[in-house]
Amino acid sequence: AQRVTQPEKLLSVFKGAPVELKCNYSYSGSPELFWYVQYSRQRLQLLLRHISRESIKGFTADLNKGETSFHLKKPFAQEEDSAMYYCALFTGNQFYFGTGTSLTVIP
Amino acid sequence: KAGVTQTPRYLIKTRGQQVTLSCSPISGHRSVSWYQQTPGQGLQFLFEYFSETQRNKGNFPGRFSGRQFSNSRSEMNVSTLELGDSALYLCASSLFPLLAGVVNEQFFGPGTRLTVL
Repeated sequence: AQRVTQPEKLLSVFKGAPVELKCNYSYSGSPELFWYVQYSRQRLQLLLRHISRESIKGFTADLNKGETSFHLKKPFAQEEDSAMYYCALFTGNQFYFGTGTSLTVIP
Repeated sequence: KAGVTQTPRYLIKTRGQQVTLSCSPISGHRSVSWYQQTPGQGLQFLFEYFSETQRNKGNFPGRFSGRQFSNSRSEMNVSTLELGDSALYLCASSLFPLLAGVVNEQFFGPGTRLTVL
């Protein structure tokens, strides 16, 4: 069963516009959600995690248990935000990744 | 501090063969996790090793196995290769084992690209 769904494979926004990358999860326990990012020709790296309630590079994500969502948001997109973004769920013994959303920020 | 290294970076094998991939974690990291990345299935968790013991395992057949050495380096072995095993295999290291509620960042290696012909 698909545990993590990222409905958009591709997303394009203009520089300065708000961006939201959607992530929905399916898990009956207490979820731990993460966003990972992979910039062109770089390694996969952690962007942020919900238990830290942090904002990294202007990105935030709020865990909504009622809607089982963990959408990633940024009020003003920058060109350097263009990358592949993966939402991930940790169940305590396994990581489940979404299929990723490729974000392109148009100058 | 050197990052996670994986060897080899590229590998070509034929069906039925076996393959061993290696991962050297960041110095001081004792947890190593392995992932398979394919265009169709995306990133899938294979297993995690900590202190030479497999702690967690994903939903992969027994042909996929691993081990960890006392210096935390880890190897992953795939036996009786199938065409569907063609993938990018990533490993990630972290200071602590993967545990719920623990802030513990995974650092990924560049991956080994395995092609099965």
